[in-house]
Amino acid sequence: NAGVTQTPKFQVLKTGQSMTLQCAQDMNHNSMYWYRQDPGMGLRLIYYSASEGTTDKGEVPNGYNVSRLNKREFSLRLESAAPSQTSVYFCASTQRQGNTGELFFGEGSRLTVL
Amino acid sequence: EDQVTQSPEALRLQEGESSSLNCSYTVSGLRGLFWYRQDPGKGPEFLFTLYSAGEEKEKERLKATLTKKESFLHITAPKPEDSATYLCAVRPYGSGNTGKLIFGQGTTLQVKP
Repeated sequence: NAGVTQTPKFQVLKTGQSMTLQCAQDMNHNSMYWYRQDPGMGLRLIYYSASEGTTDKGEVPNGYNVSRLNKREFSLRLESAAPSQTSVYFCASTQRQGNTGELFFGEGSRLTVL
Repeated sequence: EDQVTQSPEALRLQEGESSSLNCSYTVSGLRGLFWYRQDPGKGPEFLFTLYSAGEEKEKERLKATLTKKESFLHITAPKPEDSATYLCAVRPYGSGNTGKLIFGQGTTLQVKP
């Protein structure tokens, strides 16, 4: 059971470079999320997709774009990376929107922007 | 503004020494409070959902309780394998059907043998 798979696990970028974080889930979940986790800040929602074909901004969307490619995949793109985007990024999914709050998380993508 | 605050930030216990972690929340209306466990280098793993004051949930050595302003995660006779960061999150009424959660910053628990 793979659950939620994120790639890459580690990445180092220079300021201004672009990259895409990939996320795929094999649980047939409808809703998917991208969070970032910074020391002392807790998990903060960047973007989410309540269902296939829809995406919405979360708490900290600036500097990011997302694509819900299909029901399984939800990618996060940094068009021009900045040092403030150094963080650990987590993708999560859940069976349906407005459910019990049981999110299934990937193992994270650790991004450093120099 | 909806807010979740966890205390303490870090807690060290001896094996078998029971204690509690606190999660205080301020929300316009609570649609659920959730506890997660996060091991180093891993993603959070769901533990409990609580919906109303007075509700309790248990799993092995963990028991979560909820009041109108806070939640406690009680750890009874902890073992070293209980060492992890414990995250609290709330889903406020304003989140509609999006499933969005507001997380606290976490409490890092270390249990020494």
